[in-house]
Amino acid sequence: QVQLQESGPGLVKPSETLSLTCTVSGGSVSSGTYYWAWIRQTPGKGLEWIGSISKSGSTYYNASLKTRVTISVDTSKNEFSLNLSSVTAADTAVYYCARQEMSYFESWGQGSLVSVSS
Amino acid sequence: EIVLTQSPATLSLSPGERATLSCRASQSVSSYLAWYQQKPGQAPRLIIYDASNRATGIPARFSGSGYGTDFTLTISSLEPEDFAVYYCQQRNNWLTFGGGTRVEIK
Repeated sequence: QVQLQESGPGLVKPSETLSLTCTVSGGSVSSGTYYWAWIRQTPGKGLEWIGSISKSGSTYYNASLKTRVTISVDTSKNEFSLNLSSVTAADTAVYYCARQEMSYFESWGQGSLVSVSS
Repeated sequence: EIVLTQSPATLSLSPGERATLSCRASQSVSSYLAWYQQKPGQAPRLIIYDASNRATGIPARFSGSGYGTDFTLTISSLEPEDFAVYYCQQRNNWLTFGGGTRVEIK
């Protein structure tokens, strides 16, 4: 059974870049027709899809975040990553990585709380 | 962007009762709707996809229905572990989630 684990700083300063990595175990980011996704959750806005990437590196992003988001995949390390630039307090959230099949999120990481504060 | 509106915000029921949760889309999403269950401190878990298909390992007491703009998640007889927050998500036009319905113990 595939498992996903987010890692990265829990605190980021305003205007800086938030960077998270999702390590996949029990499966390969190179296998099948899955996409690999980032989703965040805040008390105010609820669940928000950030973007997704295929094993070949094809990406698609939420239009509201597109100018600030980059998602990449490293098949040699079996992981994928999220960069979100120019963060503000509104980007404080629990960030989840997930495996996406047919555009549904069928396996999730446990989540990583990232706070934006000086 | 397709907006998903879930109702009610909170449902107070007792174990053994039937739960009926609603998700309404601002425009048609065909049958491309999923339901997730989230318990405190945990990630969401996929329970229904494409409106009516149960995900792997999901008990038969969970069922989904609907098409177009109106969808329902039904839990036929609530078990103690079913008290949680439920979210709908559409994939017809990008990917968006509803605001959630909390099912709490009465």
